[in-house]
Amino acid sequence: QKEVEQNSGPLSVPEGAIASLNCTYSDRVSQSFFWYRQYSGKSPELIMSIYSNGDKEDGRFTAQLNKASQYVSLLIRDSQPSDSATYLCAVSGNQFYFGTGTSLTVIP
Amino acid sequence: GAVVSQHPSWVICKSGTSVKIECRSLDFQATTMFWYRQFPKQSLMLMATSNEGSKATYEQGVEKDKFLINHASLTLSTLTVTSAHPEDSSFYICSARDGGLAMLEQYFGPGTRLTVT
Repeated sequence: QKEVEQNSGPLSVPEGAIASLNCTYSDRVSQSFFWYRQYSGKSPELIMSIYSNGDKEDGRFTAQLNKASQYVSLLIRDSQPSDSATYLCAVSGNQFYFGTGTSLTVIP
Repeated sequence: GAVVSQHPSWVICKSGTSVKIECRSLDFQATTMFWYRQFPKQSLMLMATSNEGSKATYEQGVEKDKFLINHASLTLSTLTVTSAHPEDSSFYICSARDGGLAMLEQYFGPGTRLTVT
């Protein structure tokens, strides 16, 4: 079992819709959770950090964490074509683990 | 804040030569730096973790004699690809963490695209 699991996609949503990206992790001692965005040919960019159960909102992005279910998600509201990228979930506890990423395409 | 730079951004070298890539944290002290490799359309692959002043910890399958990592200061780590071969052609990305706690986020450099001919 991988430490961090993500659906590789591709996930396609129409412009203006909500994109929902999901991630599960296996290490119960994980304390910190991150979402990175990676455009094709570029390096990852940190877009959200979340440390406690519940929701954390930043502009059009909302991260949701449920430690009991070992589940973290990222919602992107009013999706734009510029949101088209691969989104990496990362989990940190004793070690730092990345998921393999979910490819998102926002269709104009 | 939390800016990481890499140099060069791209490099082409001949097979058998060595290439050095620099990773710098510009506005924070990076106790820990990471080196990743990414092939086209594949996920990030962690190569090694380096802590300032100590030897790097390499992931399984990564040749430490081929990929030399030096983390001589809190703002600079270098990766040297020795005796490069075409199969070493890849996108090499460093990241840095502000502090020694594992829970802290990593900030990525812009990456170095290496092509070995």
